[in-house]
Amino acid sequence: DQQVKQNSPSLSVQEGRISILNCDYTNSMFDYFLWYKKYPAEGPTFLISISSIKDKNEDGRFTVFLNKSAKHLSLHIVPSQPGDSAVYFCAASALYSGGYQKVTFGTGTKLQVIP
Amino acid sequence: DVKVTQSSRYLVKRTGEKVFLECVQDMDHENMFWYRQDPGLGLRLIYFSYDVKMKEKGDIPEGYSVSREKKERFSLILESASTNQTSMYLCASSFDWGQHEQYFGPGTRLTVT
Repeated sequence: DQQVKQNSPSLSVQEGRISILNCDYTNSMFDYFLWYKKYPAEGPTFLISISSIKDKNEDGRFTVFLNKSAKHLSLHIVPSQPGDSAVYFCAASALYSGGYQKVTFGTGTKLQVIP
Repeated sequence: DVKVTQSSRYLVKRTGEKVFLECVQDMDHENMFWYRQDPGLGLRLIYFSYDVKMKEKGDIPEGYSVSREKKERFSLILESASTNQTSMYLCASSFDWGQHEQYFGPGTRLTVT
């Protein structure tokens, strides 16, 4: 049961244009959402996050939008740069009865920014 | 900077061998995690630990066990390696449950033949 879904395995964008990566979730208990970026042969690195009480969070070229009613979030990268080429993972966190936060990751979207 | 290190980048083992994957973090983080990454399946949580000697099963714990004897070190053990455990294994840590961000190691590519 895939609770966090990234339906686009890959995306190609021209340098300077906007990249939009999408993520859908099914568990209404998720209260925090994160995006990670992963280069080949490296571990994922945290990129940006958003709490469920907000609908937008911005950090430089990166903006995450959350639509709770649609259970959908998206990551916008403007302008896209060749160095943004990587696999992007969406992740969602929920508080469990043991008092811990469990994070569920999506399957990833491979972004290629073409110079 | 937080540093999470994993004992090996590449490992080749035979079916039935006992395999140890080691992970060390240097930032006094409370929580540590083991994931595996497979094409089309993303990152799946195997086990995590929120304190020394404490552990919880993740989504796919079958065939694995873990050990956390010291706060900075979290080991993943494959009791009897099988070919379906060929994967990229990623260790991560986080400060505590109030901070959601996890810091990942570079990964260990394990091949079981």
